[in-house]
Amino acid sequence: GESVGLHLPTLSVQEGDNSIINCAYSNSASDYFIWYKQESGKGPQFIIDIRSNMDKRQGQRVTVLLNKTVKHLSLQIAATQPGDSAVYFCAENIDDYKLSFGAGTTVTVRA
Amino acid sequence: DADVTQTPRNRITKTGKRIMLECSQTKGHDRMYWYRQDPGLGLRLIYYSFDVKDINKGEISDGYSVSRQAQAKFSLSLESAIPNQTALYFCATSDWGRPGTQYFGPGTRLLVL
Repeated sequence: GESVGLHLPTLSVQEGDNSIINCAYSNSASDYFIWYKQESGKGPQFIIDIRSNMDKRQGQRVTVLLNKTVKHLSLQIAATQPGDSAVYFCAENIDDYKLSFGAGTTVTVRA
Repeated sequence: DADVTQTPRNRITKTGKRIMLECSQTKGHDRMYWYRQDPGLGLRLIYYSFDVKDINKGEISDGYSVSRQAQAKFSLSLESAIPNQTALYFCATSDWGRPGTQYFGPGTRLLVL
């Protein structure tokens, strides 16, 4: 079936290094993708989004890359900080209202 | 996010009991959602509402019902709770202009014994 998934369930990164979180999707009709961050005990928080007519979008310390050819989405976090430790979800917006979430990648930042 | 509040934050109940989870928002958004989160499964959509007169089932609506009492309030009910409904429940809102950008509440942790 069509789904959004993440390559790895966990990622450990040294403080100060760059982090790359990957996500594969299979629905070629998806036109909008979003990354969410969920800290322990909190609800998911919007980080950044990208539309299918773009390949790259940058925010503050974060960059999302979209490769439609291989149906791959990634989130890059520059100079990873302890506060970046969280679970990261990618989601695709297929219809006007519905988000399909991946299972999440847990990022742990080592001091 | 203080703009979206959920009550209660934690709840323990017994099998067969009826319970209600409440959600309120001050963001002025028309669209509201209820999700369920289980370990390793991400978030799954239970119900969604585009306005007070519009209620729609999500992918896992069986065993749940909702009520949109006002633009700012959306409640989720478990008519007869069962143990496999033990999960973390999130309410979310979005603006009609950006439906993919959803704002989540802090969640309600529910344990059904």
